[in-house]
Amino acid sequence: RKEVEQDPGPFNVPEGATVAFNCTYSNSASQSFFWYRQDCRKEPKLLMSVYSSGNEDGRFTAQLNRASQYISLLIRDSKLSDSATYLCVVRDYGGSQGNLIFGKGTKLSVKP
Amino acid sequence: GAGVSQSPSNKVTEKGKDVELRCDPISGHTALYWYRQSLGQGLEFLIYFQGNSAPDKSGLPSDRFSAERTGGSVSTLTIQRTQQEDSAVYLCASSLAHRGNNYGYTFGSGTRLTVV
Repeated sequence: RKEVEQDPGPFNVPEGATVAFNCTYSNSASQSFFWYRQDCRKEPKLLMSVYSSGNEDGRFTAQLNRASQYISLLIRDSKLSDSATYLCVVRDYGGSQGNLIFGKGTKLSVKP
Repeated sequence: GAGVSQSPSNKVTEKGKDVELRCDPISGHTALYWYRQSLGQGLEFLIYFQGNSAPDKSGLPSDRFSAERTGGSVSTLTIQRTQQEDSAVYLCASSLAHRGNNYGYTFGSGTRLTVV
């Protein structure tokens, strides 16, 4: 089983739509969770950390369900500039000693 | 510096040659990581350095790969006798600390390596 799994998409949505991405992780000992954004041929950039109680940053809302080992990202009122690949990231406290483990990403395309 | 700096940004090399990739982390960041990303794939962890501790080399794919970090700052990733499957974008990242924190990483813009 892969450590971090995401639906690769692509998700094609119109401007203004609400879109949600999901992610599951395999290591129940994982303690830190993040969403990164990666534009085409660019490096990943931290979008937001994910906290146990859920957190919001503008149009972006992240949720964590530890019991189900599930993380989500909700984007409201999507913009053309939101088009990117969204990477679910987990800090692994298992064999890789606390490194960040990246999912392969979910591609989002926002159309006019 | 203001961000993580990597050089070169692009490298084309012949199969069998050695290459060196450089990373200059954000000043004050004690943790430094190397990842690679092949076309259409996720990020693959290679190695990390934390302060003066022994590096975690568990992600290095073969003994042709090595890395060092001098003076707790600049790091060099060396690939010996390059193979075509080594072609990828090599990303360096740094962080304020490693375990026990909720810090994400800041990535450099990467070195795109093409082995022909």
